[in-house]
Amino acid sequence: AQSVTQLGSHVSVSEGALVLLRCNYSSSVPPYLFWYVQYPNQGLQLLLKYTSAATLVKGINGFEAEFKKSETSFHLTKPSAHMSDAAEYFCAVSPHFGNEKLTFGTGTRLTIIP
Amino acid sequence: NAGVTQTPKFQVLKTGQSMTLQCAQDMNHNSMYWYRQDPGMGLRLIYYSASEGTTDKGEVPNGYNVSRLNKREFSLRLESAAPSQTSVYFCASSKSGEETQYFGPGTRLLVL
Repeated sequence: AQSVTQLGSHVSVSEGALVLLRCNYSSSVPPYLFWYVQYPNQGLQLLLKYTSAATLVKGINGFEAEFKKSETSFHLTKPSAHMSDAAEYFCAVSPHFGNEKLTFGTGTRLTIIP
Repeated sequence: NAGVTQTPKFQVLKTGQSMTLQCAQDMNHNSMYWYRQDPGMGLRLIYYSASEGTTDKGEVPNGYNVSRLNKREFSLRLESAAPSQTSVYFCASSKSGEETQYFGPGTRLLVL
């Protein structure tokens, strides 16, 4: 069975500072990994996904994530935080291509300090 | 395209009442899903439908039933609502064999 662990349910960063949201995965087979973002009172939308091509994945809104097999991690980063990045971020895992069932982490709420 | 739509947006029920949450997608996706979102627990899969006429249980199916009415619509029914079912419910859809899921705006349900 696969799972993801998001370290830190709440993260606060100053506007312009680096954003780092942590995700570690557990999977018995090579995983596919995702980051979704949820803005207040909205559904989830895909930020980026890793599907065994390049280990550094670029997503929307300047976010990127790096798949590190040795560390079983898929941390999300953005060099310079913007006020509009305030949202909840979810890491998710799917065990292999074609298995559409995702297992989500518990989420990290990102607050941007002006 | 509207994407994934859900009705209602908000509902208050009394314990023991029943209701159906509606979901529709206009992206011609085969797969559809129902999740519930609770604070500190992320999203948990309730039921899943890989195609019209098929449904499978997810992680937390107890107290729920689903119907895949046609390719577009996937409804979630609470036969006898309980306070533990107070949550935000999300419907999602995806193409068969593709990992990306597209989410609706959610239904906020309060059971008193």
